[in-house]
Amino acid sequence: GENVEQHPSTLSVQEGDSAVIKCTYSDSASNYFPWYKQELGKRPQLIIDIRSNVGEKKDQRIAVTLNKTAKHFSLHITETQPEDSAVYFCAASPLNSGYSTLTFGKGTMLLVSP
Amino acid sequence: DAGITQSPRYKITETGRQVTLMCHQTWSHSYMFWYRQDLGHGLRLIYYSAAADITDKGEVPDGYVVSRSKTENFPLTLESATRSQTSVYFCASSKQGYEQYFGPGTRLTVT
Repeated sequence: GENVEQHPSTLSVQEGDSAVIKCTYSDSASNYFPWYKQELGKRPQLIIDIRSNVGEKKDQRIAVTLNKTAKHFSLHITETQPEDSAVYFCAASPLNSGYSTLTFGKGTMLLVSP
Repeated sequence: DAGITQSPRYKITETGRQVTLMCHQTWSHSYMFWYRQDLGHGLRLIYYSAAADITDKGEVPDGYVVSRSKTENFPLTLESATRSQTSVYFCASSKQGYEQYFGPGTRLTVT
């Protein structure tokens, strides 16, 4: 099955700095790569996703890049703010029998200091 | 977010007891999922369902049972709870099998 590795496990930055979280996946059939943000005690929420026919996608201060050849994708957050502090999860989804399940990385705790 | 709910939100039970966690969604999403979240392991899929009466195992199904008689409900049962099943359980639903929307979670403690 699919295996998703996520690095780093923790990331501390100063407010205004950029943050980058990287993930690799094993199944070349994976074609959907979402990122979820989970604040303390809350549910995971989708913040951005990318599909295999796109190399990069941006939404205001966040962007995701995908390199299918190398089987890795990354989340980029610019101009970080304290409210960006949370655990971020990447995931990958191979298409299987018409629907798909997500395999998650183990998460990155992002701490943004004022 | 109010479209997917879980109950109870907190549960303490004893080893060996049967426990059922409920999940209800109002979006008529075809797909529903159960995950457990443990420190150091992220989110791991327990069971999922593509439609009513169609269920399949995920990564960590042992000790759990699911059913889906109605599209909107997807209960998860621990037949004989063990301490290793102490965790936070999230239900999720999806319209197309891609964008998954998570419920608020159930924190289960097995003593």
